[in-house]
Order: sequence, then structure tokens, then C-alpha cells
Amino acid sequence: SSELAQDPTVSVTLGQTVRITCQGDSLRSHDASWYQQKPGQAPVFVMYGKNIRPPGISDRFSGSSSGNTASLTITGAQAEDEADYYCHSRDSSGHYGVFGGGTKLTVL
Amino acid sequence: QVLLVQSGAEVKKPGASVKVSCKTSGYSFTSYQMHWVRQAPGQGLEWMGIFNPSGDTTTYAQKFLGRVSMTRDTSTNTVFLEVSGLTSEDTAMYFCAKDDVLTGAPDYWGQGTLIIVSS
Repeated sequence: SSELAQDPTVSVTLGQTVRITCQGDSLRSHDASWYQQKPGQAPVFVMYGKNIRPPGISDRFSGSSSGNTASLTITGAQAEDEADYYCHSRDSSGHYGVFGGGTKLTVL
Repeated sequence: QVLLVQSGAEVKKPGASVKVSCKTSGYSFTSYQMHWVRQAPGQGLEWMGIFNPSGDTTTYAQKFLGRVSMTRDTSTNTVFLEVSGLTSEDTAMYFCAKDDVLTGAPDYWGQGTLIIVSS
């Protein structure tokens, strides 16, 4: 199992707000980055740390962090947001990268 | 713009080696490290290591120590991932991803290279 824990599945009603979380001890010292992956595609970098959004990413995506938990929030979820979401950070040693197990987001 | 173009899919027999290439453009090749990430069919992302094209240095995930090698060709701005001693468990999509120097996170990704290990 990964050092970063994510809920395997999360669902949200179209237009509502959803929070995807990532938990791990290393997050007390290192920021998380977030990736969206749709079937058959490479991951896309959508968020870093406390709300640093890469160019071209919708402002419906926001990030936050508290203690050992990092969160990705999607405000007003759209059908195109349905995807797998992965967090990434350093492991507990700080020397290696690690991904969370991923969260499959379903937009109802 | 930043582009990472990876080599094509390959089928390998157990015990063989494979070398995946990732040709970069649109940025200063030696100024940014490169992550390698793999994804087995239907599974999550797995971080394999990070390579510094400037100093030719690498940090490998413990799981891959001794079986994986990351190298570069500065004349073509290309990085390589070689995996030896392939088993069926190495069947996966392999991605290169440029490191964002400010965040330390993979930002731009290649399209992926599918490696199938089968007898």
C-alpha cells in the first residue's frame, strides 16, 4: 500500500462541490501535487500545494492542506471532471517520490 | 512549448531488457530533472525515480534499485529508461515527466510507452 492514502472512489452530483483527500505523514513536511487522468491518457498536472494552479487549469480546481492531509476541491463539478485523481509528494524519508493510490471521481 | 515524445510500444520476453526513450523540446534540457513513472494495467501510478540530465545523477525508488537505469543524450535532448530482468509484473505504461523546479512535482508528461512482457 502507498504511503499516501486516498479514497478509492468518490462521487459528486453535477454542479456540486467535491473534495478529494490525500493523507500521509510526509504531508506534514512536504506539499502535495495533484494529477487528473482520463482513460487512455497521460496524467495532467492540475494543482500544487496550497492552491498553486498550473497555467490553463480551470479555477474550479483549488488546493489546500492541513496537518497530514492535502485536499483537491472541485467547485461546480462538470461532466468532464470525471477522471482518476492522484496525489504525489515525497515519502517519509523525503528522498523519494510517491503517489497516492488514486481516487476515481464519478460525476452523477 | 514543452514537449516530451516517447518511443513506441514494445513486446518483450521474460528476462529481457527494454530501453524507453523520451525526446524533449521546448525547454532547457539540462535545467530540469526528469521523473519516470509507470502504471500497470488498471492500476495506479508508481514513481520509479528521478534523473538529473545536468549532473547525470539519479535517485531510484528502492524497489527498482539494480534493475533500472536512467541515462541521457545531451546531443538530442533525450532521456532513457532501461529496465532489465523483465517479468510479467513489468507490463505497464511507462511515462517520463519533466520536474517543475519550483515545486519538485512532475509537470509536463510524455504520452507514455506501453511495455508488454509475455512469453
